[in-house]
Amino acid sequence: AQSVSQHNHHVILSEAASLELGCNYSYGGTVNLFWYVQYPGQHLQLLLKYFSGDPLVKGIKGFEAEFIKSKFSFNLRKPSVQWSDTAEYFCAFYREADRGSTLGRLYFGRGTQLTVWP
Amino acid sequence: SQTIHQWPATLVQPVGSPLSLECTVEGTSNPNLYWYRQAAGRGLQLLFYSVGIGQISSEVPQNLSASRPQDRQFILSSKKLLLSDSGFYLCACLNPRGAWETQYFGPGTRLLVL
Repeated sequence: AQSVSQHNHHVILSEAASLELGCNYSYGGTVNLFWYVQYPGQHLQLLLKYFSGDPLVKGIKGFEAEFIKSKFSFNLRKPSVQWSDTAEYFCAFYREADRGSTLGRLYFGRGTQLTVWP
Repeated sequence: SQTIHQWPATLVQPVGSPLSLECTVEGTSNPNLYWYRQAAGRGLQLLFYSVGIGQISSEVPQNLSASRPQDRQFILSSKKLLLSDSGFYLCACLNPRGAWETQYFGPGTRLLVL
């Protein structure tokens, strides 16, 4: 069965610290990968996505993620976090095999709550 | 770009009462629509999805149901709520002909069953 593992349930950092949130997926075929973010009281929104090409993708607000196919990983990074980055972060993937059904079914991880102290 | 509306924003219901949550979408036609439940520490659980009017698929058997009476309307219902139905319900849409495989989410409905 397909699944997404996010290793950390809650991460607490001070401002200016570096961030890395782990994400691993289990699926042997081609996937497309996403990170979504949910700021307090706001919609879940897309942070960045990987479809093909350069495995290092850059998203909004200085976030980036690296797809390492051999490790089935798509870790999210930011060199220096800010208080405003406090949010819940979700990793998700889409199976290429679902394309034919036009379903667009995403598999989500359980989320990582990031708290940044000023 | 598409906009997703959900109402109500917050709902407190007694156990055994019925439920109807509504989701409407603007800015796109014939989207795929999804209902998710988000529980603390458990991520997003896909409940239902629909690729067209009247077409509903269920991911998790439970006492909830969904309907899609119109192209851009998606309704989540229950005849009798359980305590375990408490949670945060998110509606999402995807335009298969648009930004490929990117889902957009509504603001959510927080449901508390007492």
